[in-house]
Amino acid sequence: AQSVTQLGSHVSVSEGALVLLRCNYSSSVPPYLFWYVQYPNQGLQLLLKYTTGATLVKGINGFEAEFKKSETSFHLTKPSAHMSDAAEYFCAVLPGNQGGKLIFGQGTELSVKP
Amino acid sequence: DTAVSQTPKYLVTQMGNDKSIKCEQNLGHDTMYWYKQDSKKFLKIMFSYNNKELIINETVPNRFSPKSPDKAHLNLHINSLELGDSAVYFCASSQELAKEQFFGPGTRLTVL
Repeated sequence: AQSVTQLGSHVSVSEGALVLLRCNYSSSVPPYLFWYVQYPNQGLQLLLKYTTGATLVKGINGFEAEFKKSETSFHLTKPSAHMSDAAEYFCAVLPGNQGGKLIFGQGTELSVKP
Repeated sequence: DTAVSQTPKYLVTQMGNDKSIKCEQNLGHDTMYWYKQDSKKFLKIMFSYNNKELIINETVPNRFSPKSPDKAHLNLHINSLELGDSAVYFCASSQELAKEQFFGPGTRLTVL
């Protein structure tokens, strides 16, 4: 069965520091991959996606992620954290032929210290 | 100009009651979904509909019944509510099954 693992349920960084949120997936076939962000009491907002083509994808708010097939990883990075980045981040995979079922990781809460 | 909207945003009710959550998307998408987010923030799909046809029913109790009157709407009706149904329910839509999904703001259901 497909699964997604996010390493670290909570990550804390200082403002201006590098943000690295880790995501590994298990899949026999490279799926489509997504990162979503959830601010408190809000819905999920799509940050970025990987479907095919370039393995380094850029998203909104200065975030980017790199698809590494050999490592089955799709880590999310941002060079310089901002206070407004504090939120819950979810990695998700969209396997083929499963009716559009998004499989989510357990989420990583990002805190940004001043 | 909200893309995916849900009503109500909050729903507090007693055990045993029946309630509905409505979802509408104005993106012209063919596919809609319901997800459940539990108290640990874990998200799991419940249903997906493509062109008003049920595609996924992810072993959800039959107290939950989705209804899609047209491609822009997917409502969720829940009978005989139980304490364990307390969660945040998210509606989502996508252009087709293999495309990125756009989420609504969520409905926080509390069963007392």
